[in-house]
Amino acid sequence: SQTIHQWPATLVQPVGSPLSLECTVEGTSNPNLYWYRQAAGRGLQLLFYSVGIGQISSEVPQNLSASRPQDRQFILSSKKLLLSDSGFYLCAWSAGDTEAFFGQGTRLTVV
Amino acid sequence: GEDVEQSLFLSVREGDSSVINCTYTDSSSTYLYWYKQEPGAGLQLLTYIFSNMDMKQDQRLTVLLNKKDKHLSLRIADTQTGDSAIYFCAESPRGSSASKIIFGSGTRLSIRP
Repeated sequence: SQTIHQWPATLVQPVGSPLSLECTVEGTSNPNLYWYRQAAGRGLQLLFYSVGIGQISSEVPQNLSASRPQDRQFILSSKKLLLSDSGFYLCAWSAGDTEAFFGQGTRLTVV
Repeated sequence: GEDVEQSLFLSVREGDSSVINCTYTDSSSTYLYWYKQEPGAGLQLLTYIFSNMDMKQDQRLTVLLNKKDKHLSLRIADTQTGDSAIYFCAESPRGSSASKIIFGSGTRLSIRP
């Protein structure tokens, strides 16, 4: 069966520090991978999606970047965090047009 | 463009039915979804419906799709306290090189005794 792992679960980082959130998927190959952000009291915003290794599409301009160094690994990064980067980050995968499966999320607080 | 809209809040009495509504813009969407998010957790798929269907029922959940009006609804019968959560409507539009799943802002369902 397929599983998705996302870590860390919570993170407190100072403004200006770097960020690296990692997401891995098991039990499937060539998944579509997604990073979403959920700001407090707001809905889900698609940040990045990827259809293959090294292929990243960005949905909104921002302080973040994403990379896919391996087929089932998706990384969300920042060189210098801003206060506005605080939120709940969710990684997800899907196989084409079917449902998306989500990780448990990372709550990032930038202080 | 792609957009999914839903109301932000819904309050119902325990035992009553809850109806959460959603409108979407992309008529080419193949799948339409309802996800549930409990506090501090990721999203879990509740149910989905193919775009060529009008209705889908799964135990206490009923999904209605009106393609003409691009309107999707989720009805929860006999709402319980455990149904308190944020419910997200989502669509999977065609026409792009990847399957992007677009979510609404979520409807926070609260249950009153």
